[in-house]
Amino acid sequence: EAGVAQSPRYKIIEKRQSVAFWCNPISGHATLYWYQQILGQGPKLLIQFQNNGVVDDSQLPKDRFSAERLKGVDSTLKIQPAKLEDSAVYLCASSLDMIDWLQYFGPGTRLTVT
Amino acid sequence: GQNIDQPTEMTATEGAIVQINCTYQTSGFNGLFWYQQHAGEAPTFLSYNVLDGLEEKGRFSSFLSRSKGYSYLLLKELQMKDSASYLCAVVDYGQNFVFGPGTRLSVLP
Repeated sequence: EAGVAQSPRYKIIEKRQSVAFWCNPISGHATLYWYQQILGQGPKLLIQFQNNGVVDDSQLPKDRFSAERLKGVDSTLKIQPAKLEDSAVYLCASSLDMIDWLQYFGPGTRLTVT
Repeated sequence: GQNIDQPTEMTATEGAIVQINCTYQTSGFNGLFWYQQHAGEAPTFLSYNVLDGLEEKGRFSSFLSRSKGYSYLLLKELQMKDSASYLCAVVDYGQNFVFGPGTRLSVLP
């Protein structure tokens, strides 16, 4: 079984630039999560999708972050414009559905904003 | 509010036993997960507790006391490859997955 795929693995941008991350969850997984993990901290949930609908985006800074999962499969997370404090690893995870809480994580995208 | 506490760092010797504690105060409780995360890699699932007591899986065991808001992860016969961060995560009544800050474990020869 293929795992959660993410790209790119690394990205360096200057502040005020925009960036996009891509995630392809495990086949058949209805629930998809985006997390932000700042160095030395635990992951913080940014947004949760159930199929192509948003379940929770309460911690997503909506003035600069956006995410979509148009066909209920892969997803993109965008930051525009980026700030220095956005430097972090962005993790995508998926689970079978909302009541199966076991999440499988992708390798993450390490973003550095200079 | 949601609060999960773990020690920041721990050090242990190869072959020894180490216990990593996690205390939580969350809006309800639907289960507690432990994940292992090697530097630069994704978190991987270790264990899940929803009822009080001990769950054993090979060298790893996890304990839960819901009345005390407390869990621990016990690692036996430590190996160098166990050097990693260990994340405690609680699922609350809103089915939100809340992670603790993680404990960075260093295993020394």
